[in-house]
Amino acid sequence: GENVEQHPSTLSVQEGDSAVIKCTYSDSASNYFPWYKQELGKRPQLIIDIRSNVGEKKDQRIAVTLNKTAKHFSLHITETQPEDSAVYFCAASIGGGFKTIFGAGTRLFVKA
Amino acid sequence: DAGVIQSPRHEVTEMGQEVTLRCKPISGHNSLFWYRQTMMRGLELLIYFNNNVPIDDSGMPEDRFSAKMPNASFSTLKIQPSEPRDSAVYFCASSFASGDEQQYFGPGTRLTVT
Repeated sequence: GENVEQHPSTLSVQEGDSAVIKCTYSDSASNYFPWYKQELGKRPQLIIDIRSNVGEKKDQRIAVTLNKTAKHFSLHITETQPEDSAVYFCAASIGGGFKTIFGAGTRLFVKA
Repeated sequence: DAGVIQSPRHEVTEMGQEVTLRCKPISGHNSLFWYRQTMMRGLELLIYFNNNVPIDDSGMPEDRFSAKMPNASFSTLKIQPSEPRDSAVYFCASSFASGDEQQYFGPGTRLTVT
């Protein structure tokens, strides 16, 4: 069945460093790849998304890249800040209104 | 807009009891999703609806779980009978499938079955 693998499960960085989270998906029909941030005790919230017709997207300190051939996509956070500490989930679907498979999550710690 | 609304926010019940979780999606959204989140299994899609019709319920763990969406503004997830292993946070999310596609999550219902 469909699967999304996410690595690493835990990531600890120093404030100001960059953080990279990588995901691999199995369903070649997937064409929508959102990333969610979940702070402790709160709901997941979308931080950035990318569609299959785009290879890269950037929003301030956050960027996402997509390699459809390899079925890989990655989240890059630059100049990390303590408030970036949270669990980050990648996901894949054939569209936002359809079945969405989430990765297992990456717990990011940013040390001040 | 108030966003996705879920009730109750917390539910504590005894094993064997029936539990009903409720969700009101964002007005105008035509897709609704139910997720379960646990430390062990992460965020799992249980079922989703498009235009009030269940499309895929392959994530529903057992026949004890059922979900309905009688109209565009209301959905329920029912567990009968409940078991301790059903303890989790249950999220409802909605999206506009033909629009920005982003799923908006509700605050979740924390269910504890003793």
